[in-house]
Amino acid sequence: DTGVSQDPRHKITKRGQNVTFRCDPISEHNRLYWYRQTLGQGPEFLTYFQNEAQLEKSRLLSDRFSAERPKGSFSTLEIQRTEQGDSAMYLCASSSTGREQYFGPGTRLTVT
Amino acid sequence: RKEVEQDPGPFNVPEGATVAFNCTYSNSASQSFFWYRQDCRKEPKLLMSVYSSGNEDGRFTAQLNRASQYISLLIRDSKLSDSATYLCVVVISAGTASKLTFGTGTRLQVTL
Repeated sequence: DTGVSQDPRHKITKRGQNVTFRCDPISEHNRLYWYRQTLGQGPEFLTYFQNEAQLEKSRLLSDRFSAERPKGSFSTLEIQRTEQGDSAMYLCASSSTGREQYFGPGTRLTVT
Repeated sequence: RKEVEQDPGPFNVPEGATVAFNCTYSNSASQSFFWYRQDCRKEPKLLMSVYSSGNEDGRFTAQLNRASQYISLLIRDSKLSDSATYLCVVVISAGTASKLTFGTGTRLQVTL
């Protein structure tokens, strides 16, 4: 399968714990995006990488959130001191053009 | 006002029916437009791009009216497998980032 992959698919954590998610984009795509989706809503943009450079971050991305793409390939999204409001589906997308974006299966986070 | 507005539905239609979804967007600087399909608890998948000239892909027809800031999707001869949430998406390219801005989605349920 040469699509976008994400790991883990599901994560249950206790409030206050740190979690890290990984995204592997389509190999020839230099653009990588993170989105968050809550129930009944469309995905919301969190951050964008072009190669290894993080070029844009949403106001939704509080200082508890950090994302990296160290070698311009896979990316990680870390949430520190998780809160119940962080419970959501975290989606990664990649693109070669920036317009048509292809999504991974997502990581569903539940904070208890 | 939300940047992209959609009727959340649900639209319940019998197999074989024709159904139309509409979407409005608020930012006149929006440059690209898409419909994505999302099955329950799955990632969004690109259905089709939307152009002012209109475009058709099999049973699906999409149309953009820039003057009215309005996007539509028509599904003819609905199949049970068309049951999903349809997300209207606009792209505003700022610098090098192309953030997808999603509507909340319109849920379609096709019944026997």
